[in-house]
Formats: sequence, C-alpha cells, structure tokens
Amino acid sequence: EAGVTQFPSHSVIEKGQTVTLRCDPISGHDNLYWYRRVMGKEIKFLLHFVKESKQDESGMPNNRFLAERTGGTYSTLKVQPAELEDSGVYFCATSTSGRARVTEQFFGPGTRLTVL
Amino acid sequence: AQTVTQSQPEMSVQEAETVTLSCTYDTSESDYYLFWYKQPPSRQMILVIRQEAYKQQNATENRFSVNFQKAAKSFSLKISDSQLGDAAMYFCAYRSANTGNQFYFGTGTSLTVIP
Repeated sequence: EAGVTQFPSHSVIEKGQTVTLRCDPISGHDNLYWYRRVMGKEIKFLLHFVKESKQDESGMPNNRFLAERTGGTYSTLKVQPAELEDSGVYFCATSTSGRARVTEQFFGPGTRLTVL
Repeated sequence: AQTVTQSQPEMSVQEAETVTLSCTYDTSESDYYLFWYKQPPSRQMILVIRQEAYKQQNATENRFSVNFQKAAKSFSLKISDSQLGDAAMYFCAYRSANTGNQFYFGTGTSLTVIP
C-alpha cells in the first residue's frame, strides 16, 4: 500500500512568488492534516480536512495560505505571496475515521520550502 | 493550549546500549494520547509507540518502551539495545481525546548511534 506522498520534495522561491504544495493521502483516509516545522522549532498544526471539508483551520498563519481538498482526495496548500518567514518543512498527514479510540496519523516525507 | 517540551536537542548512544529521551507536556485535560514518532534522515516520520493516558501500564514495542508519569506530565522513551537504524530525529506528540484531532509536537531530539 502506498504511503502519504508529497510533491515537490524541495522548493526554492523568491519572496513574493507563489508556491503550491501537494499531498496525496493513503487511499481511504478521510482525515488529512497539514503541519509545518520552521527550522529548529516544533512541528505546528496548520489545518485539518475531513474529506473535502475544513474541520479545523485554526493553525493557518494568515490569509496568504490557502488549502483545498477537491473531491476529498489529494490536497493542495498554496502560499501567495510567499514571505521569508514561510520557509520550513511542510508535512502532510492522514488518518482513517475508524471506530478505534486512537487513530494513528501517517505522515508524508514533507516538502522543504525555502523563500529567498 | 497544550505544549510539549523536549529538552534534549541532541543525544548520542553507543550501539547496543540504552538511551532515554525525555518529553514533558502541559495540559489541563485528563484524557489524552501521547506518541513518539521517529524521522530517519531524508525519510518520513513513522510512529514508534503510543500511550493512552487512562492506561497506567507503560506501553512497549519490542526494544522501545515508555515511562509515563501522568502526575508529573512526563513521557520518556527508552530505546534498549540501540541499533544503527535507530539514528533519527525523535518527536514527542500529544493529542487530546476530546478537543480535536491535531497533534502538538515537541521540537525533537536528534539521536546519533555510535558504532
């Protein structure tokens, strides 16, 4: 079974440009999360989709970030326009909506974003 | 808000020895879950072990075990018989049982295994 995949693995852009990150979940996983790790700091939650709906977007830094999940499958996270402080590693994670009390989140390899 | 603290940015251990990674957290909740994730170099994070707060027994997974001290809000990871493949960044994470699915992570501990 394929794991969570993210594209691209690395992206280097200039301040003011736009970048779109993509996450493909494990098939059948209704829950999809975006997290970000700024260098040397903790991994921070950005938002949570249940299928195509945004369940919780309390961690989104500002309105330069736009996340979508069309059809409840893959998700994109667009940063427009990018600022220097947006640099970091963006992780996607997915999980099932099972009846189990604790559902594990499966992480993708991350996209390393560098804004110059 | 919940916070997770990993006070050891870097640790090292001799192959075959035992190492303990520390993690403390702050919460006012009584029902929650705790996790240790491992991220090897250039690879994705994988779950190492998890603990449910209402369970008093410490979780174990082969060479990995935790010391869960609920009153002290401490959740350390012990790796026994360390192997070269254990070298990775280790993240401690907290998730509420009642208020959302997001994880709260610590800053990570980079573990080096010395041959």
